This record gives sequence, structure tokens and C-alpha cells, in this order.
Amino acid sequence: ETGVTQTPRHLVMGMTNKKSLKCEQHLGHNAMYWYKQSAKKPLELMFVYSLEERVENNSVPSRFSPECPNSSHLFLHLHTLQPEDSALYLCASSQVNGGRGNNEQFFGPGTRLTVL
Amino acid sequence: AQSVTQLGSHVSVSEGALVLLRCNYSSSVPPYLFWYVQYPNQGLQLLLKYTTGATLVKGINGFEAEFKKSETSFHLTKPSAHMSDAAEYFCAVRGGSQGNLIFGKGTKLSVKP
Repeated sequence: ETGVTQTPRHLVMGMTNKKSLKCEQHLGHNAMYWYKQSAKKPLELMFVYSLEERVENNSVPSRFSPECPNSSHLFLHLHTLQPEDSALYLCASSQVNGGRGNNEQFFGPGTRLTVL
Repeated sequence: AQSVTQLGSHVSVSEGALVLLRCNYSSSVPPYLFWYVQYPNQGLQLLLKYTTGATLVKGINGFEAEFKKSETSFHLTKPSAHMSDAAEYFCAVRGGSQGNLIFGKGTKLSVKP
């Protein structure tokens, strides 16, 4: 147990569906992250939220929409996805203190997403 | 800009043999370096980290890594492999001030009986 939970653990959806992934951290951290992990590519950072504000969006398609209502919760809203979006989506959190923190991240178990 | 290179996408060792997983980094600032392990269908778990101080870092499960600034390396070792060490291992370096990490492509470790 890392203190970061993700639901659901597995999700199968059609290309026209709308679904959401949820992440919750119980560590009191002030930053949260979404990563995509697929078989063909290394870990890709998708979004960063620091103090509940989005600070990074690595050219992610608009069919992925993040939401961070508070420092403990992070969502990834999905709509009209493509089969190539099938991957393991990992959430992480860390305590960021400007440039002084060591950026150790704590990861959730991931959501295995399959798009049909 | 920071980057990480892991040499070898697959490494296979016999049980009881030395494990050596290679990681080289590039960083424009003093690096903070990490090794994470991922077991099938799970998230990433921190094995060890280097921030400052002693360059030989000990982690969980008998793993250790040595920070060598002159070689820009942070290789992961374990003297004697166990079947339970079979997993994928990721090396990472601190990215920007927003807390992100830059990950290598990972090395899948297989342990033969």
C-alpha cells in the first residue's frame, strides 16, 4: 500500500462512451500526476497538478480531460477514445516545495483501460 | 533538460547470480535519482533514491545503487538474484520544479531457476 488508490482497476469502454478514472491520495501531498504506460512507449507524463492548479499538459489530446477538485483527489475524464488509448493509466502524488523537494513520487496501482 | 537512458530492455540472470541494471542520466542541475520496480499489473514502487550525501544508496529487497557523477551513471545491483525479483525496473531523474520525474524506458528482469 502506497497511500494512493485508483478506481476502477480495470475498464473496458467503447469509442463513444464517456467514463472517468479516479485517484485518491492519503499522504497529505500537494501535487498529483497522471501517467500513461503502454507497451510500445515508456512512461508518459500526461498532466501535473500542483496545489490544485494544472501546471503541465504534455500535448495530450482533448479527449482526455483532467480534474483536480482538491489536493487529495484527481480525475481523468475520458470521451470518444481511440483503440490506441488502451494502456495502463497511473496516478502518482508527491510533496513539492518549489525546487527544493526530491520529487519522490508515490504511485497507485493503475487502471488498465481497454478501448474497443 | 533531463533525460534517462537504461541500457538493455531485457536482462536475464540465474537465481543466485549478480543483478546489474544500467542507468545513465543527463541533468542540467544536481540530479536526484530514483529506481522504481513494477510487478505485473501493479503500480511503481520506490526501490531507492539518491538526493545528496553518500553515493552508495541501499534500498529495499537487498538492492543498492551507486551514484557516479563522472560517469553520469546510477546502476542498480543486487548480489544474489531471487525469483521474486522478476519485474520491470525503471530509473528516473528529477525533472522540473513541479515535481515531475523523467523515466527511462525500463528494463525487464527475468530470473531463471
